[in-house]
Amino acid sequence: EVQLLESGGGVVQPGGSLRLSCVASGFTFSSYAMSWVRQAPGKGLEWVSAIGTTIYYADSVKGRFTISRDNSKNTLYLQMNSLRAEDTAVYYCAKGGITVRRFDPWGQGTLVTVSS
Amino acid sequence: AIQLTQSPSSLSASVGDRVTITCRASQGISSALAWYQQRPGKAPKVLIYDASSLESGVPSRFSGSGSGTDFTLTISSLQPEDFATYYCQQFNSYPLTFGGGTKVEIK
Repeated sequence: EVQLLESGGGVVQPGGSLRLSCVASGFTFSSYAMSWVRQAPGKGLEWVSAIGTTIYYADSVKGRFTISRDNSKNTLYLQMNSLRAEDTAVYYCAKGGITVRRFDPWGQGTLVTVSS
Repeated sequence: AIQLTQSPSSLSASVGDRVTITCRASQGISSALAWYQQRPGKAPKVLIYDASSLESGVPSRFSGSGSGTDFTLTISSLQPEDFATYYCQQFNSYPLTFGGGTKVEIK
């Protein structure tokens, strides 16, 4: 069974940093593009970043967030620096990208709260 | 960035109703569109990809159509478990973008 499990969320002060992890199982992790998507409380979905042969970022996080992966550990990361209140959201990792043209599956999500 | 406009933003319907949700792209995206269902407190789940391909395991009452700029998700006979929020997403180009969502509520 394909599974994604995020961790690393929590409460952080504005300007602080946090690193999210997403451990994958049930598929050949290195063969697939992966993405991060976030959802602010009560709001819609916002794509954040993707990593495949190339790395992409949403303008809202460019220069502050860094996506990476360790294929030996089947793990996706999102390093988040200079956090702002508007970064408060549930962060999901998802398998897929432009080549497969869908995200499937998604992890259960991890909540990041930026507050003083 | 390509903008996706979903309509309506919410709707009320009864079990057994036929429901249609539309998604309009700000520029042509061929058939590079997916539809997701999200129940409260849960992660989204893909229903349709490539505008009209049904994801494995998804009930056949869900269908998608369209290409270019105009797309539709149809639920042929609404079931109790279908009350949720639905999102479209384009995969034509980065940045990937989502529609604003359509909340389907019980009438």
